[in-house]
Amino acid sequence: GDSVTQMEGPVTLSEEAFLTINCTYTATGYPSLFWYVQYPGEGLQLLLKATKADDKGSNKGFEATYRKETTSFHLEKGSVQVSDSAVYFCALRYTGNQFYFGTGTSLTVIP
Amino acid sequence: EPEVTQTPSHQVTQMGQEVILRCVPISNHLYFYWYRQILGQKVEFLVSFYNNEISEKSEIFDDQFSVERPDGSNFTLKIRSTKLEDSAMYFCASSAAGGNSPLHFGNGTRLTVT
Repeated sequence: GDSVTQMEGPVTLSEEAFLTINCTYTATGYPSLFWYVQYPGEGLQLLLKATKADDKGSNKGFEATYRKETTSFHLEKGSVQVSDSAVYFCALRYTGNQFYFGTGTSLTVIP
Repeated sequence: EPEVTQTPSHQVTQMGQEVILRCVPISNHLYFYWYRQILGQKVEFLVSFYNNEISEKSEIFDDQFSVERPDGSNFTLKIRSTKLEDSAMYFCASSAAGGNSPLHFGNGTRLTVT
């Protein structure tokens, strides 16, 4: 069935470091792909999305490119800040109304 | 920006008791969802609701669970007889449409069953 596998955490980076969180998916056809972020004590917020192959989603300095050939949607940011500390979830939506979420990757950015 | 709101933020209940978790989705949204997240684990789909009926549900959503949209604004999740393993964070979400529309989540209700 449809599923998402993302890089296990926790990830700890120094401020201004480069971030990559890997996400790969399994789905028949062409799902829409999303990254959600969960700040401490809050719900999940949409960070970015891509709806077809080669689309690049971007927001707040984060980017992810929908790679059909590698079934991946890796999240990247060139220079992380302390305020980026959160849990990041990769998700896909294909048939029906279900979203499938990865297990989440906890990111801590230290000054 | 419109928000999904959930109440209460934390609910403590005894095993075997009924609980109702409440959500107010974004007003012009048509699709409604419940997800749960057991501490440290994956965000799991429970149920989706559209046009006043359940459109999909997962294996987790057994006879102990029910959802209702009692009026034009609220969307509730009822657990009839809670078990210890129901302890989790429950998230309500809504979306404007199907297909590529993102989900908008509430801040969640932490349910603790003792």
